[in-house]
Amino acid sequence: DIQMTQSPSTLSASVGDRVIITCRASQSISSWLAWYQQKPGKAPKLLIYDASSLESGIPSRFSGSGSGTEFTLTISSLQPDDFGTYYCQQYNSYSWTFGQGTKVEIK
Amino acid sequence: QVQLVQSGAEVKKPGASVKVPCKASGYSFTRYAIHWVRLAPGQRLEWMGWINAGSGSTKYSQKFQDRVTITRDTSATTAYMELSSLRSEDTAVYFCARDAGYCTGGSCSFYYYMDVWGKGTTVTVSS
Repeated sequence: DIQMTQSPSTLSASVGDRVIITCRASQSISSWLAWYQQKPGKAPKLLIYDASSLESGIPSRFSGSGSGTEFTLTISSLQPDDFGTYYCQQYNSYSWTFGQGTKVEIK
Repeated sequence: QVQLVQSGAEVKKPGASVKVPCKASGYSFTRYAIHWVRLAPGQRLEWMGWINAGSGSTKYSQKFQDRVTITRDTSATTAYMELSSLRSEDTAVYFCARDAGYCTGGSCSFYYYMDVWGKGTTVTVSS
């Protein structure tokens, strides 16, 4: 299976900060990467697919980039509602695998 | 609106089985596939398998291949995930999620990422 590694594991940032989360794949996955946000007790929410395509209804402050093995999720201006855990997921090779998550806290 | 509704919680003893339902509404059930993903305490999201709700074909993660069965009831627009030989490490929240791709005109294009998720069913395995 392809291993997905996220960094950092946790981050604490202030409202208005630019936040960057990195996801690395153990082998090339082209652009077959999605990002999800999960809040405690809630279902994960799709944010980004195909590495850089914004899911409908997701605020434009979220953006994704990268290809091959290195990917980033950027929140251009952190908002209070952006707390939660963010996961990347590769869908290049069965079986689909997720990163370990990045917990985002608001200072 | 498009929804996947899951039951709240199950408590099972080691060695038992659990069958978790996922009721779909707001879309054409048989045109999509449903994935099952779990989140155990302190662990990452883990893909378990999926079912093409139209054809009924399934594919499972090798890790769960011997213990998981995913089925669907098209008349009830419900998918099910059954996990057998439960052990304490299976204590987790189990999510169903819809694949973002779909079937049309007899041809299917699945994308393998998930655009709609249920709220999850907590399964606790304890003696």
